[in-house]
Amino acid sequence: QTVVTQEPSFSVSPGGTVTLTCGLSSGSVSTSYYPTWYQQTPGQAPRTLIYNTNTRSSGVPDRFSGSILGNKAALTITGAQADDETDYYCVLYMGGGINWVFGGGTKVTVL
Amino acid sequence: QVQLVESGGGVVQPGGSLRLSCAASGFIFSSYGMHWVRQAPGKGLEWVAFIRYDGSNKFYADSVKGRFTISRDNSKNTLYLQVNSLTVEDTAVYYCAKGGGTYYYFHSWGQGTLVTVSS
Repeated sequence: QTVVTQEPSFSVSPGGTVTLTCGLSSGSVSTSYYPTWYQQTPGQAPRTLIYNTNTRSSGVPDRFSGSILGNKAALTITGAQADDETDYYCVLYMGGGINWVFGGGTKVTVL
Repeated sequence: QVQLVESGGGVVQPGGSLRLSCAASGFIFSSYGMHWVRQAPGKGLEWVAFIRYDGSNKFYADSVKGRFTISRDNSKNTLYLQVNSLTVEDTAVYYCAKGGGTYYYFHSWGQGTLVTVSS
């Protein structure tokens, strides 16, 4: 069974830079997995930040960027702001039998 | 703009059934695949099911296969999820999401409907 891994939590200083990662329990993440990143505040639906590895969704500030770093997908927040303090999820498209697997999410604290 | 409004959630006993609905507007519903994604209280997101734009193919997470059925009525711009044989582990907010086409992602989300399975 495929497991998508994310750091449970991360802290960043206001104005600082943080990179969240999205990996596989077995194997490497590539663009073929179409990694996507979502931001979710409590009680709200997820908001699409990045899709297709590095394409920003409409209206998303350019301080959010996506990439492949080594064998993982990555979301970098540059110049973190207070309202970036929330949960972030990645999801990978597994192809084959057509299915998607989410990571467990990363809780980002800005302090 | 894209609007997705879920309904049909509620409290149901273990072994019970519900039919969730998702009314879509603001885009050509019949041109897009659609998903259901759920989130248990305090937990992460879990993809549940996907249906192609014309309903020709349907795909399910292993955790719901054989119990849940996704369907759509393109004449009514509505997506459905029939959930049967419910267990407490199915307690979650159920979101419908517009497919992202060739980029295989969840483009837009509704606000969700809560299903609580409890005796």
